[in-house]
Amino acid sequence: QITLKESGPTLVKPTQTLTLTCTFSGFSLSTSGLGVGWIRQPPGKALEWLALIYWDDDKRYSPSLKSRLTITKDTSKNQVVLTMTNMDPVDTATYYCAHSVSVAGTARLDYWGQGTLVTVSS
Amino acid sequence: QTVVTQEPSLTVSPGGTVTLTCASSTGAVTSGYYPNWFQQKPGQAPRALIYSTSNKHSWTPARFSGSLLGGKAALTLSRVQPEDEAEYYCLLYYGGAWVFGGGTKLTVL
Repeated sequence: QITLKESGPTLVKPTQTLTLTCTFSGFSLSTSGLGVGWIRQPPGKALEWLALIYWDDDKRYSPSLKSRLTITKDTSKNQVVLTMTNMDPVDTATYYCAHSVSVAGTARLDYWGQGTLVTVSS
Repeated sequence: QTVVTQEPSLTVSPGGTVTLTCASSTGAVTSGYYPNWFQQKPGQAPRALIYSTSNKHSWTPARFSGSLLGGKAALTLSRVQPEDEAEYYCLLYYGGAWVFGGGTKLTVL
């Protein structure tokens, strides 16, 4: 049974750095083909893909946010961490992490965490 | 910047059939974009429905199907139920990065 859960601050000030942790169970990020991604959703708006880290430590970022994002993994702790620098009120959103599989000519995001709402305000 | 476009809203009658589409600003959507589809209801996390164009997850109801149609990815709902009213998002792969569509609000009326 795969589960993921996001954790981190609910409120950050403008210009601060946001650090979010995704703690998961039911799979290992040392398994070939697996990954964990981050997605966000501002209130009332669409989903936005942010970043993904693969089992082999390959990292991919949204081109529009690449300069502000860093994704890392701790395989022993079953955690993936996303940092986003220089936070702005427009970054207010629910942040989700999701399990990713890329094998045998297929690619998917299947299991999602419940999400965590981050508000950027002074 | 790559843009993925979906119909903003669609309305369908209970028991009817509706097709949602997903277009790419880079041209025709092919299987190499590994189209994924998600359903999201208010206050809930997205739920995966379809991956790699037409593959269903173990929990995906049989009335949902995915395909490529006229250069776009498509999600077809048959025998629509009231509980299918939701926002639907497609997700396309661009050689390392993924991009979500803007979502389609499906009303069952």
